[in-house]
Amino acid sequence: DQQVKQNSPSLSVQEGRISILNCDYTNSMFDYFLWYKKYPAEGPTFLISISSIKDKNEDGRFTVFLNKSAKHLSLHIVPSQPGDSAVYFCAASGGADGLTFGKGTHLIIQP
Amino acid sequence: DAGITQSPRHKVTETGTPVTLRCHQTENHRYMYWYRQDPGHGLRLIHYSYGVKDTDKGEVSDGYSVSRSKTEDFLLTLESATSSQTSVYFCAISPAVSYSGNTIYFGEGSWLTVV
Repeated sequence: DQQVKQNSPSLSVQEGRISILNCDYTNSMFDYFLWYKKYPAEGPTFLISISSIKDKNEDGRFTVFLNKSAKHLSLHIVPSQPGDSAVYFCAASGGADGLTFGKGTHLIIQP
Repeated sequence: DAGITQSPRHKVTETGTPVTLRCHQTENHRYMYWYRQDPGHGLRLIHYSYGVKDTDKGEVSDGYSVSRSKTEDFLLTLESATSSQTSVYFCAISPAVSYSGNTIYFGEGSWLTVV
């Protein structure tokens, strides 16, 4: 049973436009959510996070939105740049046993 | 970059042989994790440690064991490697449990092929 779902395996966006990556979760005990970015042959790198007590967190071009009632979060990248092409993982936490990850979304920024 | 070193970075081994992957950190973080990444599955937790000699199982622990004799080292052992354990293995560290707002940081990965 997948507790964190990223339903879009890939997403193609034109350079300069907004990229919106979505994530749904089922476990109501999750109280902290993170996005990681991964380039091929490298480890995942932390991008941005949000606590369940907030509904929005911004960091430069990246904004994460959390809708607790819908158990949904999204990552907005504005404007999208070629270097943003990567796999993005949504992750959630509710305790000490690490993070639960989605399967990832491959974002492709088209020139 | 978080001070995490994984070794070996690449390894090819035969079915039935034992394999040990090492994770070394210089951050003195309490929590250490081993994840595997496979196509179509994302990242899945194998085992984690919350202190020296304190470990627990994750989602996909069958066929794996771990040890942590020092704060800085976390070893992942495949007692008898199988082809299904061909994967990319990531070590991760965290200063505290992630629900307190602390982020987990990942190493560069170890590519293991079992033939």
